[in-house]
Amino acid sequence: GENVEQHPSTLSVQEGDSAVIKCTYSDSASNYFPWYKQELGKRPQLIIDIRSNVGEKKDQRIAVTLNKTAKHFSLHITETQPEDSAVYFCAATYNFNKFYFGSGTKLNVKP
Amino acid sequence: EAGVAQSPRYKIIEKRQSVAFWCNPISGHATLYWYQQILGQGPKLLIQFQNNGVVDDSQLPKDRFSAERLKGVDSTLKIQPAKLEDSAVYLCASSSHRTGAAHEQYFGPGTRLTVT
Repeated sequence: GENVEQHPSTLSVQEGDSAVIKCTYSDSASNYFPWYKQELGKRPQLIIDIRSNVGEKKDQRIAVTLNKTAKHFSLHITETQPEDSAVYFCAATYNFNKFYFGSGTKLNVKP
Repeated sequence: EAGVAQSPRYKIIEKRQSVAFWCNPISGHATLYWYQQILGQGPKLLIQFQNNGVVDDSQLPKDRFSAERLKGVDSTLKIQPAKLEDSAVYLCASSSHRTGAAHEQYFGPGTRLTVT
């Protein structure tokens, strides 16, 4: 089955700086890669996603890049704000069946 | 649209007892997922339904866990008997899975289970 690894496990940045979270996956058949934000005690919420036929996708301050050859994808948050502080999870799936999640990255944005 | 509903929100039981969780997905969503999220870890898929059929249950500990989705709408997840290591948040999610749709998973608030 698929194995998704996520790094770093914790990330602390100063407000206004950029944050980058990286994930690798093992199954080359995976073709959809979502990123979720989970605030303490709340449910995961989709913040951005990318399909395997696209190399990069951007939505305001967040972007995701995908390197299919190397089997890794990354989340980029620019101009971080304190409200970006949360746990971020990456995931991978083939045709939306059986999502495999990374172990999470706790992002702390210091004001 | 109304979100995914789950109940109860919290449950404390002793080991070897049984427990059941309920999930009501977003109206019209054909796909329903149950995840187990242990503290400090990412969600782990337990079972996935498409309408009332099981798509995948390879990570469901079938000796103690069971799930059903009668009529392809609501779903229940049961643990019998519970073990200490079952302490986790159980998340239900649903997606529309319509051709061409975004396939976004919408998560419920979760049920936090503590086994003592």
